[in-house]
Amino acid sequence: GAGVSQSPRYKVAKRGQDVALRCDPISGHVSLFWYQQALGQGPEFLTYFQNEAQLDKSGLPSDRFFAERPEGSVSTLKIQRTQQEDSAVYLCASSLALQFGNTIYFGEGSWLTVV
Amino acid sequence: LAKTTQPISMDSYEGQEVNITCSHNNIATNDYITWYQQFPSQGPRFIIQGYKTKVTNEVASLFIPADRKSSTLSLPRVSLSDTAVYYCLVGDVYNRKLIWGLGTSLAVNP
Repeated sequence: GAGVSQSPRYKVAKRGQDVALRCDPISGHVSLFWYQQALGQGPEFLTYFQNEAQLDKSGLPSDRFFAERPEGSVSTLKIQRTQQEDSAVYLCASSLALQFGNTIYFGEGSWLTVV
Repeated sequence: LAKTTQPISMDSYEGQEVNITCSHNNIATNDYITWYQQFPSQGPRFIIQGYKTKVTNEVASLFIPADRKSSTLSLPRVSLSDTAVYYCLVGDVYNRKLIWGLGTSLAVNP
């Protein structure tokens, strides 16, 4: 596609519910990132994929957060047993490849509100 | 990972040139400097990226001195629609993750 596409755009979940956020990166982009952005803050790194391999998940805040990219294209970020502190914007980004100076492009984000 | 420092906020008026300076004293040899723009309720949008000297595209210029310890994003003739948060980031894709600060909140007034 023309850009990074994320769905749903907005999600309201009751505390304790599981949610799944989808990311469709730019076609052909090998690298895929997930970031979390709280209100008034800059994005914070969650996890990184190179094709289907999750090479870095050091930013995932707890074991309730899980991300996958089984075929090396679409990725899903899953949050189990959501808590109020999970309320944030979840940004997906992709990059052509791990090459010097490559640009990372972001999607519009999925806004999660846990009530 | 190099840390960046930039002003929290700036004010300007329509038609003026705006320069936002970012300090990154610990920039590494492999690091690029990238600027993003973010509007409320939207994801960050890539503006410009550079390694050294000057880079210009259709929306902005990026000035990087020889020591690369700072950089300046220049927005020519801003309009109301340029009101946004501007983030300066230093790093490269080999690091796999970028450290984002609070950015600079630019307000363009009529």
